[in-house]
Amino acid sequence: GAVVSQHPSWVICKSGTSVKIECRSLDFQATTMFWYRQFPKQSLMLMATSNEGSKATYEQGVEKDKFLINHASLTLSTLTVTSAHPEDSSFYICSATSSRAQDTQYFGPGTRLTVL
Amino acid sequence: KQEVTQIPAALSVPEGENLVLNCSFTDSAIYNLQWFRQDPGKGLTSLLLIQSSQREQTSGRLNASLDKSSGRSTLYIAASQPGDSATYLCAVKRGQAGTALIFGKGTTLSVSS
Repeated sequence: GAVVSQHPSWVICKSGTSVKIECRSLDFQATTMFWYRQFPKQSLMLMATSNEGSKATYEQGVEKDKFLINHASLTLSTLTVTSAHPEDSSFYICSATSSRAQDTQYFGPGTRLTVL
Repeated sequence: KQEVTQIPAALSVPEGENLVLNCSFTDSAIYNLQWFRQDPGKGLTSLLLIQSSQREQTSGRLNASLDKSSGRSTLYIAASQPGDSATYLCAVKRGQAGTALIFGKGTTLSVSS
C-alpha cells in the first residue's frame, strides 16, 4: 500500500530558531500534499495545500512567511517553521494523494514539535 | 464554511458492548466522508471511506453509515474490545481531486476489560 513518511518524528528547538519537517511518499508519486496541524485535544486543521512545482495555497490565518512549504519533487514536500515560538508547538501531519487515486489521502505518522 | 461536529467527545464502555459514534456536517455538498482512528501521539489510520453516493460501508466489526441530506454519519462498533480504545475522527472531503479533508474534533473511546 501507499506509504507516507515524515522526518523527524519529534523535534525540540529553542525559540527563534527554524525547523524543517520532511514529508515523503515512499512508493508513489504525490501530485498533491497537504499539511495539517493538531493542537492537544483538538482536531486536525488544514494549513496549506501544495502541488508539485507550484506555490502552496495557504488557509486563512496561516502565515505563509512563517510556514514555508516547498514541494520540489513528486515524492517530497517540506514544511519549515521559521523563527519558531512556543505557540507553534504542535503535532504536524502531512498527507499525500497520488495521480492514480486522487480520492484517497495517505497520511504520514506526524511530527511532534516542541519549542522551548 | 463546512464544519464537522462529533458527539460525544468522550465515551467509556465495558468490553463487549456495541456502540455508536456520531458525526454531523453543516454542508451536505460533500464528495466523500471518512472515519479514522488515531492512537495517542500517533498518525491516522483510515477505517472506512464512504462516497457521497453510498449509504454505508462495512469492515469487520465496523459499520459506517452516511445520510448526506441530513448531514450525518455514524460509526457503529460491534462487540468492543480494549484494543479499540483510541480517538476516532470523522472527516469530509470538500470536492474531487486535490481537495483537503475537514476534520471533526474526534471522539475518544475507552473500552475497559
